[in-house]
Amino acid sequence: EVQLVESGGGLVQPGGSLRLSCAASGFTFSSYDMHWVRQATGKGLEWVSAIGTAGDTYYPGSVKGRFTISRENAKNSLYLQMNSLRAGDTAVYYCARDLYSGSPLSAFDIWGQGTMVTVSS
Amino acid sequence: IQLTQSPSSLSASVGDRVTITCRASQGISSYLAWYQQKPGKAPKLLIYAASTLQSGVPSRFSGSGSGTDFTLTISSLQPEDFATYYCQQLNSYPFGGGTKVEIK
Repeated sequence: EVQLVESGGGLVQPGGSLRLSCAASGFTFSSYDMHWVRQATGKGLEWVSAIGTAGDTYYPGSVKGRFTISRENAKNSLYLQMNSLRAGDTAVYYCARDLYSGSPLSAFDIWGQGTMVTVSS
Repeated sequence: IQLTQSPSSLSASVGDRVTITCRASQGISSYLAWYQQKPGKAPKLLIYAASTLQSGVPSRFSGSGSGTDFTLTISSLQPEDFATYYCQQLNSYPFGGGTKVEIK
């Protein structure tokens, strides 16, 4: 079964750090671009980061310089290192697979169940 | 690129035809996807490349459009279709604000 399972969420103080993990199974992880998407409670979806099969990375302005996406193909794992966390980063964080890596005629076809990150003192 | 969905919410009855619109602030060719999300669940891919139905998605869902104006249509609303729907642009990955489909 194709599956993504996130872990690592929790409560962290403002200014703190947290590392999220996403374990992939059921497909050739190294062949796909991967993404992180977040959703604050009661709000819409926000794309957070992307990593290509070659390790190239992309971020929106809201997290650039604070978040780092990485992957470890040997472990079928995706990571999100989050530093300098703010209250506005509080959300459920999902990892997602890119259906047709490298093509804009694509979409996010497989999603994990999400992991909750709460930034609060 | 900004994506604006309309309406932000709608009420409809089972069997109704429902149309949701997504407008891009500049042309994005056919680089658009649609997702369905139910409370407490991850989004589910419905449509990609503006009009391609994802495997396993019922044929009552369809997508159309290119450039700046896109539409998601549910031909006959079913009880399991009450959810929030999002569009997404696949060049720089922003999502629309969502459309909540509620029971009338």
